Amino acid sequence: SQKIEQNSEALNIQEGKTATLTCNYTNYSPAYLQWYRQDPGRGPVFLLLIRENEKEKRKERLKVTFDTTLKQSLFHITASQPADSATYLCALDMRDNQGGKLIFGQGTELSVKP
Amino acid sequence: NAGVTQTPKFRVLKTGQSMTLLCAQDMNHEYMYWYRQDPGMGLRLIHYSVGEGTTAKGEVPDGYNVSRLKKQNFLLGLESAAPSQTSVYFCASTRTRVNTEAFFGQGTRLTVV
Repeated sequence: SQKIEQNSEALNIQEGKTATLTCNYTNYSPAYLQWYRQDPGRGPVFLLLIRENEKEKRKERLKVTFDTTLKQSLFHITASQPADSATYLCALDMRDNQGGKLIFGQGTELSVKP
Repeated sequence: NAGVTQTPKFRVLKTGQSMTLLCAQDMNHEYMYWYRQDPGMGLRLIHYSVGEGTTAKGEVPDGYNVSRLKKQNFLLGLESAAPSQTSVYFCASTRTRVNTEAFFGQGTRLTVV
């Protein structure tokens, strides 16, 4: 069956450092992959989307890579700030005969200490 | 522009009671989704819809039913609530299936006692 895995343990880093989160998937070849941020008590908010033919995507301090051979995406936050502390979720479009469904990983909690 | 609105925000049910969660979006999106989120489990897809009048099962559909009679609304029903359905429920919508971001509602916290 299809499976999406993210770091299950929380990631604690020092302010100013680069945070790197991973998203691995099995048994599927998605057309694109998305990353979301979720704050406590709120719904997820879209950050970045990367297509299968793109190796890297950037937006301000965020960078996403997509390796379809390894079936892995890496999400980087450079020059991290305490305000970056949140849970980060990756999501894949799982195609099926009904058109597709958006499946999420379990998320990785990031804590940036001053 | 309200985006995605969920009703209600909080609810406590007794085991065996029924209820309907409403999701409304004003962005003319084709796709709509219902997820539940439990600690350590992430977002799990319950049901989804690829357009008005259509519904499909997600990862954890048992115990839930849905309807999409109007394009802007996606209803999630619990016919006989169980304590295992205690969760936070999120609705989301996307413009199309291909390369578009999902917009989420603020969530509904449901407790079944």
